[in-house]
Amino acid sequence: DAKTTQPTSMDCAEGRAANLPCNHSTISGNEYVYWYRQIHSQGPQYIIHGLKNNETNEMASLIITEDRKSSTLILPHATLRDTAVYYCIVRSVSSNTGKLIFGQGTTLQVKP
Amino acid sequence: DVKVTQSSRYLVKRTGEKVFLECVQDMDHENMFWYRQDPGLGLRLIYFSYDVKMKEKGDIPEGYSVSREKKERFSLILESASTNQTSMYLCASRGGSGGLLGEQYFGPGTRLTVT
Repeated sequence: DAKTTQPTSMDCAEGRAANLPCNHSTISGNEYVYWYRQIHSQGPQYIIHGLKNNETNEMASLIITEDRKSSTLILPHATLRDTAVYYCIVRSVSSNTGKLIFGQGTTLQVKP
Repeated sequence: DVKVTQSSRYLVKRTGEKVFLECVQDMDHENMFWYRQDPGLGLRLIYFSYDVKMKEKGDIPEGYSVSREKKERFSLILESASTNQTSMYLCASRGGSGGLLGEQYFGPGTRLTVT
């Protein structure tokens, strides 16, 4: 599975969009990009995933560059409850175990 | 909503004790996982199971064993707890058979302290 690189921390004002970048320059053609988050003292929570097209759900949008070497998770209107560690994970579609390799993630602090 | 529950949120055990951590999911998922999470190390996979009575080692299986007698329940066993097993333990489940994608649903975690 490809390695990912994320900034250690970011701040965002409440009500504004939070844009969290992730680099995965060694991603291969059959690898998906997944995003999870972990709020303090809770288990990780799935947010969204994609292969090459942009994706949107009720929680967030995922923008993947055309060369697939990087992606951005967008929380359109961040709230204080979005303060968490956000993990960008790349996983092969051929993996049948669901093993997820969590890196260090980005700590997002949403401020009032 | 998928629900993954873990038997305890906090647990304190003594060195050498046998420890059982229980995980139950209510969505009939085939795949279940045990991770541990430590500061600076992220989540590391201990064991996983893709069916009843089936188990596979993850990245750090030493000192642990698992049991999956029923589809909904996946137990992590520390045969003889040691202080370096003090950690946050997270259970997860995922639906779909081999090769299919699906998000993992995590339990709230058990913070184990071994003294």
